[in-house]
Amino acid sequence: NAGVTQTPKFQVLKTGQSMTLQCAQDMNHEYMSWYRQDPGMGLRLIHYSVGAGITDQGEVPNGYNVSRSTTEDFPLRLLSAAPSQTSVYFCASRKMGSYNSPLHFGNGTRLTVT
Amino acid sequence: SQKIEQNSEALNIQEGKTATLTCNYTNYSPAYLQWYRQDPGRGPVFLLLIRENEKEKRKERLKVTFDTTLKQSLFHITASQPADSATYLCAPNTGNQFYFGTGTSLTVIP
Repeated sequence: NAGVTQTPKFQVLKTGQSMTLQCAQDMNHEYMSWYRQDPGMGLRLIHYSVGAGITDQGEVPNGYNVSRSTTEDFPLRLLSAAPSQTSVYFCASRKMGSYNSPLHFGNGTRLTVT
Repeated sequence: SQKIEQNSEALNIQEGKTATLTCNYTNYSPAYLQWYRQDPGRGPVFLLLIRENEKEKRKERLKVTFDTTLKQSLFHITASQPADSATYLCAPNTGNQFYFGTGTSLTVIP
């Protein structure tokens, strides 16, 4: 079982460039989410999805788009990167329907915007 | 909006002692609270979950308490080992939006 796979591991962008962070899970989890982690700020929820075709905003959604066309994949798009989006991004998934189902995290994508 | 606070300072303890980490939350009433461990360069890994109607939960050397009156959870690691050195995150939650504290960095000194 691969669990949650994020690609790429590292990325450097120039201001204004666009890119997509990939996230895939092989556990058939309905719930998927994206977080960003910054020093002193902890993990902040960007967007989440409770199933294919359904997405919703978290705490810090501005500047990011998501879509969920399959159960397995939940890509995060930066349409016009800004230096404030320099961060480590984590994707997480969980099985729904049980309160005690934990989040399973990928190992992150470290993004630098210059 | 909800606020989650963990020990703001890093915690250093001697091997063999008990480490106690604190998680305080305000402005909401979570149905359950989770604790995660995060190692450098890695994603968080789930450790324990405690529900609002449970006072205490144990798993091997780990113990978690949940006081809904004080709006606080304590996370204890007994007989600590250098391998326990990591950042520990609490996540008091309800519904589909999972919020995390900023984490406490623990170093166990041999």
